[in-house]
Amino acid sequence: ETGVTQTPRHLVMGMTNKKSLKCEQHLGHNAMYWYKQSAKKPLELMFVYSLEERVENNSVPSRFSPECPNSSHLFLHLHTLQPEDSALYLCACGPGKYNEQFFGPGTRLTVL
Amino acid sequence: AQKITQTQPGMFVQEKEAVTLDCTYDTSDPSYGLFWYKQPSSGEMIFLIYQGSYDQQNATEGRYSLNFQKARKSANLVISASQLGDSAMYFCAMREGLGSGGGADGLTFGKGTHLIIQP
Repeated sequence: ETGVTQTPRHLVMGMTNKKSLKCEQHLGHNAMYWYKQSAKKPLELMFVYSLEERVENNSVPSRFSPECPNSSHLFLHLHTLQPEDSALYLCACGPGKYNEQFFGPGTRLTVL
Repeated sequence: AQKITQTQPGMFVQEKEAVTLDCTYDTSDPSYGLFWYKQPSSGEMIFLIYQGSYDQQNATEGRYSLNFQKARKSANLVISASQLGDSAMYFCAMREGLGSGGGADGLTFGKGTHLIIQP
């Protein structure tokens, strides 16, 4: 079983829709992360959860709402998004032996 | 100011040649870690190699090695004997404050280098 899974892999939504991204980790790590990857920009850290508590919110607009019900699952709830929110959303967990993070395959989001 | 700078947006390299991907970083924290990730077209970020700020030796992992020059604040990735499967985006990243935070801090990434290996 792969370490970090994300669903859906692709999502197209209108600006008035509400949708959720799901992340599941099978590695037993205590921290989980959401990153946003836009074209020609570095990965941006959005949220950090440690032991199911949010420890960092990197000035993300309130139209993005994270949820971490347990140490294996992380959600990103989306509502009234803007076209500029179109990006690859990557989930990660960690830390590993070298403080590294393990990433999922991402959800490619397109907002129309 | 950018914390991680990767000055090579794209590189073309002949198969079997060695390739060096540049990375410079900026931090005033004495305790930090540097990471390299590979991102194929599938999108998943794959961890390659790690260098801690207090490590005395350069990190190596198979065909990957990290040329760590602390005084210059550079952490270049060297890939020996490149293969067609090495074609991907490569990202340098840093985590500051390794002595605190319990390991939950996020990583700061550079913009990446698009490496293309030619047969």
